[in-house]
Amino acid sequence: EVQLVQSGAEVKKPEDSVKISCKGSGYKFTSYWIGWVRQMPGKGLEWMGTIYPGDSDTRYSPSFQGQVTFSADKSITTAYLQWSSLKASDTAMYYCARLAGYCSAGICYPEYYFDYWGQGTLVTVSS
Amino acid sequence: IVMTQTPLSSPVTLGQPASISCRSSQSLVHSDGNTYLSWLQQRPGQPPRLLIYKISNRFSGVPDRFSGSGAGTDFTLKISRVEAEDVGVYYCMQGTQSYAFGQGTKLEIK
Repeated sequence: EVQLVQSGAEVKKPEDSVKISCKGSGYKFTSYWIGWVRQMPGKGLEWMGTIYPGDSDTRYSPSFQGQVTFSADKSITTAYLQWSSLKASDTAMYYCARLAGYCSAGICYPEYYFDYWGQGTLVTVSS
Repeated sequence: IVMTQTPLSSPVTLGQPASISCRSSQSLVHSDGNTYLSWLQQRPGQPPRLLIYKISNRFSGVPDRFSGSGAGTDFTLKISRVEAEDVGVYYCMQGTQSYAFGQGTKLEIK
């Protein structure tokens, strides 16, 4: 069973740093892209970017480039989203999601929709 | 690519059908021949859940009262008979050129 389990809620002050995690299981973690999605309070979904855990190739949405950093640790099948200096406007729920794909003859190909989602991590930034 | 959903709110009577439209600002046909338009459901207090992918394919475990259709830039999600558990917000999403979500349509029971 494919699962993405995210780390718990964070409460931080402005200018703090934080790193949240997303642990994948039930599939070959290094063969599927992981995406990050923001949902501000009462608002819709925003794509932040994606990372390929196999080689840590990253793609950032222009809206989030330079504001956050994605990383992944293959040895523990975990992807990360981090901020070096939080702002109050970063207060939101953050979801990780697996980009779908299929494997054939040992090569895996992405399909561009998110099939499995984590439960979300709420990040609250307040002075 | 900008995704526009209509309506933004849809009050529906239990057992009646519901329909949500999604329009993209550009064709969603990918260079690989697929059209990466998917539909997600987000129940209150829950993460999003994939319902439909590549226009019309139901994801594992999704009831057959959900169906997707469309082509090019115009797409529709239909629920044949709304049940209480269908309450929530529905999003279309395109993955053909980067990724983008529609604004969401809130489905509520009359």
